Amino acid sequence: DIQLTQSPSFLSASVGDRVTITCRASQGIRNHLAWYQQKPGKAPKLLIYAASALQNGVPSRFSGSGSGTEFTLTISSLQPEDFATYYCQRLNTLFTFGPGTKVDIK
Amino acid sequence: QVHLVESGGGVVQPGRSLTISCAGSGFRFSDYGMHWVRQAPGKGLEWLAIISDDGGSNYYADSVRGRFTISRDNSKNTLYLQVNSLRHEDTAVYYCAKMAFDDWGQGTLVTVSS
Repeated sequence: DIQLTQSPSFLSASVGDRVTITCRASQGIRNHLAWYQQKPGKAPKLLIYAASALQNGVPSRFSGSGSGTEFTLTISSLQPEDFATYYCQRLNTLFTFGPGTKVDIK
Repeated sequence: QVHLVESGGGVVQPGRSLTISCAGSGFRFSDYGMHWVRQAPGKGLEWLAIISDDGGSNYYADSVRGRFTISRDNSKNTLYLQVNSLRHEDTAVYYCAKMAFDDWGQGTLVTVSS
């Protein structure tokens, strides 16, 4: 079964920082990957699908890249509303989530 | 506007069964496959199951296969998840989501406790 890992697990950053989160798959999954943002007490919000496609309405400071086994989510300039937990997810028959990366205020 | 509303959560004793529901509106419910995802308190997201648009096929996470059953009633625009032999570790917020995970409900909390 394909497993997803994320690094780092926790990230402390300041407003305006460039932030990069990595997701690694134990086997190649082509571009079948999504990224989500989740705030406490709320449902996850889809940010990126197909590894690099920006979901409608998501700010352009969010971007995704990668293929195969290594993927990245980049926030080009962190905004106050971006402090949240971010998850990657395999998009295929079994829709496994990564363990999450919490982005906190430095 | 898409609206997904889960219901049916609550406190349930270990070993009991529970069926939770997800009512969809604002879109043609019968055109979309649907998912269930859960999140235990303070933990990450766990995908549970998917059902096709017509209900004819489904897949489950290994961790719940055989104990959880996903179903739907397109005449009622409603998705269901039946959970049998509830365990303490099934305590979680249960979310439904549309096929592409672009729309989610607000979740319903299931607490397994004696």
